[in-house]
Amino acid sequence: EDQVTQSPEALRLQEGESSSLNCSYTVSGLRGLFWYRQDPGKGPEFLFTLYSAGEEKEKERLKATLTKKESFLHITAPKPEDSATYLCAVTQGGSEKLVFGKGTKLTVNP
Amino acid sequence: DAGVTQSPTHLIKTRGQHVTLRCSPISGHKSVSWYQQVLGQGPQFIFQYYEKEERGRGNFPDRFSARQFPNYSSELNVNALLLGDSALYLCASSPDSRSNQPQHFGDGTRLSIL
Repeated sequence: EDQVTQSPEALRLQEGESSSLNCSYTVSGLRGLFWYRQDPGKGPEFLFTLYSAGEEKEKERLKATLTKKESFLHITAPKPEDSATYLCAVTQGGSEKLVFGKGTKLTVNP
Repeated sequence: DAGVTQSPTHLIKTRGQHVTLRCSPISGHKSVSWYQQVLGQGPQFIFQYYEKEERGRGNFPDRFSARQFPNYSSELNVNALLLGDSALYLCASSPDSRSNQPQHFGDGTRLSIL
């Protein structure tokens, strides 16, 4: 069964149009939730780690939040260079194995 | 500082052949993990190695194997290649195997099976 589900699969925004990406998870014993950005032909680039419900992290136009069942990646006033696939992953129990969702492909039009 | 480096960047093989992919972790990182990413999907965990020992294995057939060397670099080997093995193979490193610190990825090896 899916442990990490991301929505929407794809999102098109106009430059400056703020929105949020969702990552819901069903794992028990969450150790950490990780957000990555992946550009075409490249490996995932680390953005944030969240460890407990209520935690928030910010970096430039991005803000990640975590509840007991889901995480949101908020994008404020996006620019075309924010276009990429955003991946969410979790670790659980005593393992460092990352379990990824399928990603959200974000396109920001100028 | 150099990030995770992988070689080769691209590889074309035929069914039945074997392949060796290489990974050098970030300096000071002792844990290396391998992931397979097929088009349109998130990466799937294959192996984790720490201090030359296997610490985790994903749901992949025995045709997949890996090892880690004393300098913490790693190799992923795949035997008897199938068309379905075509994918981007990613290597990730982290400082150790228990701290839950973020893993940092290389840009992968794109493997195409004809």
